[in-house]
Amino acid sequence: TQLLEQSPQFLSIQEGENLTVYCNSSSVFSSLQWYRQEPGEGPVLLVTVVTGGEVKKLKRLTFQFGDARKDSSLHITAAQPGDTGLYLCAGAEGGSARQLTFGSGTQLTVLP
Amino acid sequence: NAGVTQTPKFQVLKTGQSMTLQCAQDMNHEYMSWYRQDPGMGLRLIHYSVGAGITDQGEVPNGYNVSRSTTEDFPLRLLSAAPSQTSVYFCASSPSQGMVGELFFGEGSRLTVL
Repeated sequence: TQLLEQSPQFLSIQEGENLTVYCNSSSVFSSLQWYRQEPGEGPVLLVTVVTGGEVKKLKRLTFQFGDARKDSSLHITAAQPGDTGLYLCAGAEGGSARQLTFGSGTQLTVLP
Repeated sequence: NAGVTQTPKFQVLKTGQSMTLQCAQDMNHEYMSWYRQDPGMGLRLIHYSVGAGITDQGEVPNGYNVSRSTTEDFPLRLLSAAPSQTSVYFCASSPSQGMVGELFFGEGSRLTVL
């Protein structure tokens, strides 16, 4: 089973600031997903990256998959209070959903 | 749209009691799964199913049973609850027949075992 480490574990910033969270492993992923989870709800998929070096943008969120497909980052520009939540990365060893391994998450709080 | 529905949302059990967490989805997804979420440990897969009549074990299956008699329903049974099973449980489904695709999660069921 792959081990996915996310950093930082907690992050509290002011509205308008930029931030980056990281997802790292010593193993190679076939694909990697990012989810956001709000209190009392289940995670919701933000993006899936598949190709090494791939960059995807979702409004103010930029996701990057490492060239070696062992790591990923999420960058948020001009954070807003609505970005508050738990951000989870999930890496797949192969092509099956049962092979998804979730990181422990980064709890982001954006203060107004 | 209902999506993935879990019941109950909250439950308190005593050690040794049994119970069933219900999960239903109305999206005609073939793949369904159960995860538990514990602080600092992310989501861990308990059991999964790639279709009606087919179930298999995930990373942490001990103490849990599942069945999949219909496409819509995937209940999780705790046969004899233990304090170590205190957790938040999430049911998830996917339209990708078990291939890596978007997982749709329910709102979770918070279980406390005393």
